[in-house]
This record gives sequence, structure tokens and C-alpha cells, in this order.
Amino acid sequence: EAGVVQSPRYKIIEKKQPVAFWCNPISGHNTLYWYLQNLGQGPELLIRYENEEAVDDSQLPKDRFSAERLKGVDSTLKIQPAELGDSAVYLCASSLDQTGEQYFGPGTRLTVT
Amino acid sequence: GDSVTQMEGPVTLSEEAFLTINCTYTATGYPSLFWYVQYPGEGLQLLLKATKADDKGSNKGFEATYRKETTSFHLEKGSVQVSDSAVYFCALSLASNTGKLIFGQGTTLQVKP
Repeated sequence: EAGVVQSPRYKIIEKKQPVAFWCNPISGHNTLYWYLQNLGQGPELLIRYENEEAVDDSQLPKDRFSAERLKGVDSTLKIQPAELGDSAVYLCASSLDQTGEQYFGPGTRLTVT
Repeated sequence: GDSVTQMEGPVTLSEEAFLTINCTYTATGYPSLFWYVQYPGEGLQLLLKATKADDKGSNKGFEATYRKETTSFHLEKGSVQVSDSAVYFCALSLASNTGKLIFGQGTTLQVKP
């Protein structure tokens, strides 16, 4: 069974530029999460989807971040415009239920210069 | 608010040494508790979990016991191997069953031959 797939693995952009990250969850997993992981810190939830619906986006900075999961499978997280402080690893995870057992992708490491 | 605190790293041990990584939590209600592990270049993987007080989670020689009286979930292993070198994250999932995970900051373990 394939795991959670994320692309790209690495991205370097200049500040004020847009950037997008893509995630393909494990087949059959209706719940999808995007996390932000700063260096030396644990992941922090940005947004959680149940199928197509964003059920928890309270931690998503909506002035510059947006996300979508149009068909309830793949998801895209976008930042526009990027700031220096957005440099971090963006993790995608999926789960079959809400017990806390989640499957993580390898992440996208974003560097904003 | 709800939070998880882990011991500072890095923890450096010789092969076959005993491992303890401390984790304490603050939460309303009765959360489920988890240890996730992140090997170099890979996504986080669930290592073990416990869903109620006095439960012991175990996997790959690692163990942790849910201690409600001390709000702790310390990770232990009797004999570490070089292949255990990774970053270990303690996490909780709130009892409201949203699946949201709150992570500690992570503890890096380095095992030397």
C-alpha cells in the first residue's frame, strides 16, 4: 500500500512569491491534515479536512494561506505571498478515523530567501 | 491550554544502553497519548499509543505507560540500537474525538556503536 505522497520535497523561493504544495493521502483515508513544522519543534496543525470539507482551519493564517481538497482526495496548500518566516517543513497526513493514528508524508521543506 | 512537554535533547547513548525519554502533558478531559518517531529523511510514524489511564503501549521493544496521576507518558527501551537513532515526538489527542494531535517539541536520540 502506498503511503502519503507529497511534492515537491524541497522548494526554494524568493519572498513575495507564491508557492503550492501537493498531497495525495492513503487510499480510503477520508481525513487529511496539513501541519507546519518549524526547525526543532513538533508539528502544528494548520487545517483538517473531512472529505472535501475543511472542519478545522482555525490555525491557518488566512491572509496568505489557502488550501483545497476539491474531490475529497488530493489536497493543495498555497502560500501567497510567501514571507521569510514561512520557511519550514509542511507535512501532510491522513487517517482512517479520529483516534489520533495518522500517517504522515515525508514533508516539503520550504526555504524563503 | 492543552500541551505536551518533552525532555530536551539530544540524548546520546551507547548501543545496548537503557533509554528513557520523559513526556508530560496538560489536557482537559482524558486524552489519548502517542509516541511518533521520525527517522532521517522520512515522515513521522506512529510508534505506540495508549488510550486510557494505566494502559501500556508497546512496539519494537519500546514501551510507555499512561500515568494519569503524574500526567506522564515516558518512553522506555531496555537496549537501544544504532537503528533507533531518530527524533521522537510525544503527542496527545483530545477526547473530543476530533483526531487533532498536539505534539511536543521532539527529542533527538543518537545511538553510538
